Amino acid sequence: GDSVTQMEGPVTLSEEAFLTINCTYTATGYPSLFWYVQYPGEGLQLLLKATKADDKGSNKGFEATYRKETTSFHLEKGSVQVSDSAVYFCALTGSGGYQKVTFGTGTKLQVIP
Amino acid sequence: GAGVSQSPRYKVAKRGQDVALRCDPISGHVSLFWYQQALGQGPEFLTYFQNEAQLDKSGLPSDRFFAERPEGSVSTLKIQRTQQEDSAVYLCASSLRVGRNSNEQFFGPGTRLTVL
Repeated sequence: GDSVTQMEGPVTLSEEAFLTINCTYTATGYPSLFWYVQYPGEGLQLLLKATKADDKGSNKGFEATYRKETTSFHLEKGSVQVSDSAVYFCALTGSGGYQKVTFGTGTKLQVIP
Repeated sequence: GAGVSQSPRYKVAKRGQDVALRCDPISGHVSLFWYQQALGQGPEFLTYFQNEAQLDKSGLPSDRFFAERPEGSVSTLKIQRTQQEDSAVYLCASSLRVGRNSNEQFFGPGTRLTVL
C-alpha cells in the first residue's frame, strides 16, 4: 500500500536558519503530494501541494518539488521564523478513487529567537 | 459555516462507555473522511463517505467503530465499549468533489478522546 516516510524530529533551528525536512513516498501510479502544517492548538492546514512530477508547490516561503525519480518531496524554507514552529506532515493521495490521504508521522519544528 | 466543525472538542469516557463524535462538513461538500491521530503520530484513515454512501470503511479498527452520514451532510462516528487504545484525536475532513482533481480536503479541529 501507499506510505510516506519523513525525517524524525524534533528539529530545532535558530531564527533565519535554512530548513529542510526530508520526505519520501511509496505509491503506485501518480500520486499527488502535500505538506500539511499543524500549529499548536490548531487543526491541520494545507501548506502546499504538487500534483505531477517536477511540479513545485510553494506557500509562505516554503517550497517542495515533486521528484518522481527519487520518490521525494522535501520541504524547504530559506529563512525560518519563530512563527513557523509547528508540526509538519508530508502526505499523499493515490492516483485513483476518492483521494484518502496517507500521512507521514510528522516532524516537529521549533524555531528559537 | 466557514469551515469543518466537530463536537465535542474534548471527550473523556470511562472504559466500556459508548461515545458519539459529530462532524459538520463544509456545506455542499460531497466527500467526507474520518481519520484517527494517535499521540505523536500522523492521522490514519478510518472511513470515507460520498454523500450518504459509505464507500470505504477499511480503516475502522474494529467492529466497535461505526460511522454514518444519513442525509449526506452531518456525520457521526460512534465507538462502542470504548477501550484505552481508542484514546486519540479524531479528525473529520471534507472536500467538494471526488476524483483525482478534487479540491483539497479541509480538516476540522478534531475531537480529543481520552478513555480512562
